[in-house]
Amino acid sequence: DAGVIQSPRHEVTEMGQEVTLRCKPISGHNSLFWYRQTMMRGLELLIYFNNNVPIDDSGMPEDRFSAKMPNASFSTLKIQPSEPRDSAVYFCASAEGGSYNEQFFGPGTRLTVL
Amino acid sequence: GEDVEQSLFLSVREGDSSVINCTYTDSSSTYLYWYKQEPGAGLQLLTYIFSNMDMKQDQRLTVLLNKKDKHLSLRIADTQTGDSAIYFCAERDNYGQNFVFGPGTRLSVLP
Repeated sequence: DAGVIQSPRHEVTEMGQEVTLRCKPISGHNSLFWYRQTMMRGLELLIYFNNNVPIDDSGMPEDRFSAKMPNASFSTLKIQPSEPRDSAVYFCASAEGGSYNEQFFGPGTRLTVL
Repeated sequence: GEDVEQSLFLSVREGDSSVINCTYTDSSSTYLYWYKQEPGAGLQLLTYIFSNMDMKQDQRLTVLLNKKDKHLSLRIADTQTGDSAIYFCAERDNYGQNFVFGPGTRLSVLP
């Protein structure tokens, strides 16, 4: 398996633009997580899905952020409009059901908002 | 809410042992994890321990769990320059899929 796939790997955009980050989880995994990592705040869980249903979105910073999981093999995280403070590395992770539930992380998308 | 704390930085000399510490607050934590993040990469699971264990050893890695004090440590024997990375402690309870990660400890290995 190729692991968790994220695209793009790098994104540079201007303030006010819409940004869409994409994630393909590992086939067969039924949980998907979006994280944001910054130097100031560390690793923050934004939202997670179980069987394509959002379970906890309390980490989503504000209404400018939205996430969808239309099917088991694809998820998006959208920021509209983007702001410079959204600059971070965004990670997607997936996990299969089971007892110890290791989360497998993607390589991340480095977002820079100018 | 749940909280996981770690010291942010650790420097050791190559060949020495490294000990990275972590404390957590959720007494219902069932699994505790150590993840490693190398520069420019995502997190990778290093090892995990079930809450009914107090020690787990895997080659150069030793995990110690003191459930009473809610303290977890990761010892890396014979630390190498390739061990330089950020190490995250994480906990998960038995009820949900959610992990709570610590802030990460940046390990620097000096030649």
